Parts: sequence; C-alpha cells; structure tokens
Amino acid sequence: QSALTQPASVSGSPGQSITISCTGASSDVGASAFVSWYQQHPGIAPKLMIYEVSNRPSGVPDRFSGSKSGNTASLTISGLQAEDEADYYCSSYTSNSRSHVFGTGTRVTVL
Amino acid sequence: QVQLQESGPGLVEPSQTLSLTCTVSGGSISRRGYYWSWIRQRPGKGLEWIGYIDYSGITYYNPSLKTRVTISADTSKSQFSLSLTSVTAADTAVYYCGEYCSSTTCYDGAFDIWGQGTMVTVSS
Repeated sequence: QSALTQPASVSGSPGQSITISCTGASSDVGASAFVSWYQQHPGIAPKLMIYEVSNRPSGVPDRFSGSKSGNTASLTISGLQAEDEADYYCSSYTSNSRSHVFGTGTRVTVL
Repeated sequence: QVQLQESGPGLVEPSQTLSLTCTVSGGSISRRGYYWSWIRQRPGKGLEWIGYIDYSGITYYNPSLKTRVTISADTSKSQFSLSLTSVTAADTAVYYCGEYCSSTTCYDGAFDIWGQGTMVTVSS
C-alpha cells in the first residue's frame, strides 16, 4: 500500500493562493468519495480541514477548499495567512483493501 | 465533546510487544458509525494508518502491518487498545488514537478527532 504523492513543499506570500496536490490511483483517490485533508503544526496532533473531498468542518475558514479530478485531489488555500504555515496531509479510503492511506505530506511556508 | 487520550510505555525493547491504550471521554465507543483508530508518525515522517475497530468490534488493519497488529476494545471502560508485536527501531514513532467517522451525522469518511499522541521509542 503506497502513500499518496504530495509535493514536499509549497510556499507563498501572505494573501496569495496556493494549491497542494495529492496523487493516488484509481483504487484509492480516483474511486473514493472519502478524501480528507489534515493540517499539522509542529508537535501537535493533526487537525481535520476538509472531508468528503470538498467539505469543510465547522470552524475551518472558508479560505480552505478541496477538489478532485481523476486520481488527484487538491487543497487550495486562498488568502494565505501566517498561521497557515504547517504540514498538510491528504488521506483516502481504499475500498478494495478496506484500508486508509495518507499522503507523503507537504510543508507550507508563508514567505 | 469527545476527547481521546493515549497512554502506555514510552520505551519498548526490540522484539517485544508495544501496547497502548486510548481512553475516550464524552461519548460511547459503541456508537454506530464510528471507528476507533490508531495512526502513527515516525520522527520527521508522514502519517501511517495502523488500523481501527468499529462500533461492533470488527477490526480492519493496514495490510503492511496486519500480521503484527491487534486492536481491541473494552466498552465498559470506554477504551480501545493497540498491540504491536515483534517491534524494531522502525516502529519508533508518535502513536495517535483517533475517531473515524462513517456516518452522515458527523464528518463522514474522516479522522475527525485525534488524541494528543504518545511517543514510543524502541530501544534496548
């Protein structure tokens, strides 16, 4: 079971928009309605930011949005803010093995 | 509000069994639609799903770990546990317990609540 592929790092200036990709396969991202995204600050547990590809939990700012096309999911942060600097992980359910896989993680840096 | 808290030894010797417990407060672990999960993060690395146990006691494991992993639950104590056998240095990680939702009444298909994590080092 291979990890989903994410860019190691993405950076942007305050106010800009950035997009993080999450590439899997037709057996996981491509087939799953259950793609989620997590934000992790150093030394702290991950926090759910997006579920079911594009839905935001209560309390998550609307500058965070998610989408999916084929085997690739994406997280976009619009109007980047200093507190968005963190690691981000995608995750997908894999129906054929009834398991879950996470992405390799992306470090977001606010310049 | 559901909260989760991991507990267990911070140091395990190679070849021994790693055992951790997660205590759930603020909600029953027998609720339909919830899966009680273990996820780990090796130092400086990404997240790895270990497995989970559902509200009825059925378990699901990461195929790469399933020969060494057992997840069990004690509903009377509102706890679920992880057992990982024959550990090596590669099992050194922060271990998180978490709630996975599989219901339209919560954040469907996501790990929506996490414990703070506990660091386990495998070393003699």
